[in-house]
Amino acid sequence: GAVVSQHPSRVICKSGTSVKIECRSLDFQATTMFWYRQFPKQSLMLMATSNEGSKATYEQGVEKDKFLINHASLTLSTLTVTSAHPEDSSFYICSARERGDSGNTIYFGEGSWLTVV
Amino acid sequence: GIQVEQSPPDLILQEGANSTLRCNFSDSVNNLQWFHQNPWGQLINLFYIPSGTKQNGRLSATTVATERYSLLYISSSQTTDSGVYFCAGGGGYNKLIFGAGTRLAVHP
Repeated sequence: GAVVSQHPSRVICKSGTSVKIECRSLDFQATTMFWYRQFPKQSLMLMATSNEGSKATYEQGVEKDKFLINHASLTLSTLTVTSAHPEDSSFYICSARERGDSGNTIYFGEGSWLTVV
Repeated sequence: GIQVEQSPPDLILQEGANSTLRCNFSDSVNNLQWFHQNPWGQLINLFYIPSGTKQNGRLSATTVATERYSLLYISSSQTTDSGVYFCAGGGGYNKLIFGAGTRLAVHP
C-alpha cells in the first residue's frame, strides 16, 4: 500500500534556530499534502495545505512566515519551522493522497517530534 | 467551520469487553474517516465511511449521514486496541477536521 514517510522522526533544536521536516510519498505521487500539528494529549490541527508547484494555503492563525512550506516535487513536501521557540515543540504530521486515485484514502506519515530547548 | 465532537473523551475497558465510540458533526460531511493513533503517534486509517456500515474484523463503523453522526464499535477488545481514536471529515476535499479523540485504555 501507499506509504508516506517523514524525516526526522525526532529532532531537538535550540531556540532561535530553524528546523526542516520532510514528508515523502514513497510509492505514489501526491499533488497535495497536508501538514498537521498535535500538542500532547490534544487533537490534530490542520496547519496548511501544500500544493505541488504553487504556494501553500495556510489555516487561519498559522503564521506562514514562521512555518515555511515547500512542495517542490510530486513526492516531497517540506515544513521549515523558522526561529523556533519552546512553544513550537509539538508533534508534526503530514498526510497525502495519491494523485489520480479515485478512492478517498488519506495516508499519514509517522510524524515528527520537535523539541525546542 | 465544521465542528466535530467525540464521546466519550476517555474510556477504560477490561480485555474482552465491547465498546461504542461516537462522533457528531455540526454539518454534513462526505469524507468521514476513523483513525487509530497508537502510543508512538502513528495514525492508522480504520474506515472511510461517509455513510452506511463497514466491518473489519473486530471493528465496525456506521455512519448516519442524514443525522450527522458516526459510531465505531469495538468488540472483544484487546490491550493492543489501546490508544486514541479520532474521527475526521469535512473541510473540503481530503482536508480533514479532527475531533478531540477518545482515549481508550484496555486492561488485561
